Amino acid sequence: QVQLQESGPGLVKPSETLSLTCTVSGGSISSYYWNWIRQPAGKGLEWIGRIYSTGSANYNPSLKSRVTMSIDTSKNQFSLNLSSVTAADTAVYYCARSVDSSSSSSQYWGQGTLVIVSS
Amino acid sequence: EIVLTQSPGTLSLSPGERATLSCRASQSVSSSYLAWYQQKPGQAPRLLIYGASSRATGIPDRFSGSGSGTDFTLTISRLEPEDFAVYYCQQYGSSPSSNFGGGTKVEIK
Repeated sequence: QVQLQESGPGLVKPSETLSLTCTVSGGSISSYYWNWIRQPAGKGLEWIGRIYSTGSANYNPSLKSRVTMSIDTSKNQFSLNLSSVTAADTAVYYCARSVDSSSSSSQYWGQGTLVIVSS
Repeated sequence: EIVLTQSPGTLSLSPGERATLSCRASQSVSSSYLAWYQQKPGQAPRLLIYGASSRATGIPDRFSGSGSGTDFTLTISRLEPEDFAVYYCQQYGSSPSSNFGGGTKVEIK
C-alpha cells in the first residue's frame, strides 16, 4: 500500500522560505506525477504544482515565481520550496501521487501538514 | 486559465436520495482530465472519479461521473450516511497547469 508523509516546519516567518518534504513508502517514486496541494482553513483546494519522476515540474501560474519542486528518487522523496511567504500561505499542505503516469488526478494522499506563517 | 464553477454550493438531501453535482468549466476540458474528490472534515481528499467517468480503486458503484466539453456531473445514486461531505472537481488537461472547483457541500436534510 502506497503511503505518503509530509514533513517540515509547522511555523515559518513572513518573507522566509517554506520547505516541505514528502516521503513515499510502499511503492516506487518512478513513473508517476507527484503533486503538492494546499488548503487554507475552511477554504477549498489549491493545486500548487507537480513533478514527474524525471524531475520535470509544472507549477500553478499564480505561484510560479515563488515555487520550486525537486525529487530524490534514491530516497523516495520529493520536496516543495515556497519563497517569500506571507500569512496568505498559511494552510494545510498535502502531497499526493497521481493515478498513473499520464495524469495529475491524485489517488494517494499524505495526511497533510499545517504550516502557519507568522512572526 | 480554466475556471471551474461547481453548483450548487450546498445540497441538502436525505439518505437514500439521489445527488447530482455539477462542475462547469470556462473552456473545454478534455474528458480524460476531469476528476472528482470527496473530502470529510479533518481528512485528506479521496479520489472518486478520474478521466470524467472512471471510478478509482475501491469506490462504490453508486458514484458515477459523466459529461464532456464544459459540463461535467457527479451522481451519487443513493446517498449513504458516509457520503455527506464536500466534493471537488479538478481539471488537469490544460497542461501544464491544473485547478480545482470551489466545492459542493452535501449535507443531511
